[in-house]
Amino acid sequence: DTEVTQTPKHLVMGMTNKKSLKCEQHMGHRAMYWYKQKAKKPPELMFVYSYEKLSINESVPSRFSPECPNSSLLNLHLHALQPEDSALYLCASSQDPLVWGSEQYFGPGTRLTVT
Amino acid sequence: AQRVTQPEKLLSVFKGAPVELKCNYSYSGSPELFWYVQYSRQRLQLLLRHISRESIKGFTADLNKGETSFHLKKPFAQEEDSAMYYCAPGRGKFQFGAGTQVVVTP
Repeated sequence: DTEVTQTPKHLVMGMTNKKSLKCEQHMGHRAMYWYKQKAKKPPELMFVYSYEKLSINESVPSRFSPECPNSSLLNLHLHALQPEDSALYLCASSQDPLVWGSEQYFGPGTRLTVT
Repeated sequence: AQRVTQPEKLLSVFKGAPVELKCNYSYSGSPELFWYVQYSRQRLQLLLRHISRESIKGFTADLNKGETSFHLKKPFAQEEDSAMYYCAPGRGKFQFGAGTQVVVTP
């Protein structure tokens, strides 16, 4: 399996809701990432997990909470989001991000709308 | 700041014409660089990695350390090349370039 899968594809949530985004890969990759992408803009890194440990948090607000239950799974827990958080959330995975050959494999994304 | 720069937001070319997307980097040492492509309604995917020196879908990219560039080139553009292209670093660096939208018209 050479794909990264993400669920759900679409999510609409109110500002008081709690929801979670899920990501899965079975390529044996040891790094997983969350990105936020606005329309016509590049992906912006949010979090990096390397060997199941959070290694980078790009000063993301605490209303976004990542979790890596095992090397194949990555979750993003959402709580009390703001309308400006509406975006495409991308998950990606790669080999060790610090070595050569660290190209990333992306999931299709979750289109999040906060109302 | 260390980054990759894509100076062109939009490139409009005719089918069959050459196309070149510019990417410059400011990392020291030996950077690892990639080109990713995002076709309409498809996931972001790897197009080229500089260490492979390969040609994918007719595209090539050479790392020029003297000019700190990693430009993407194709001699004859096709309509299916219309997409958003991102230059991005590897090896512990994660900031994508701003992207270049390529539109190939018949």
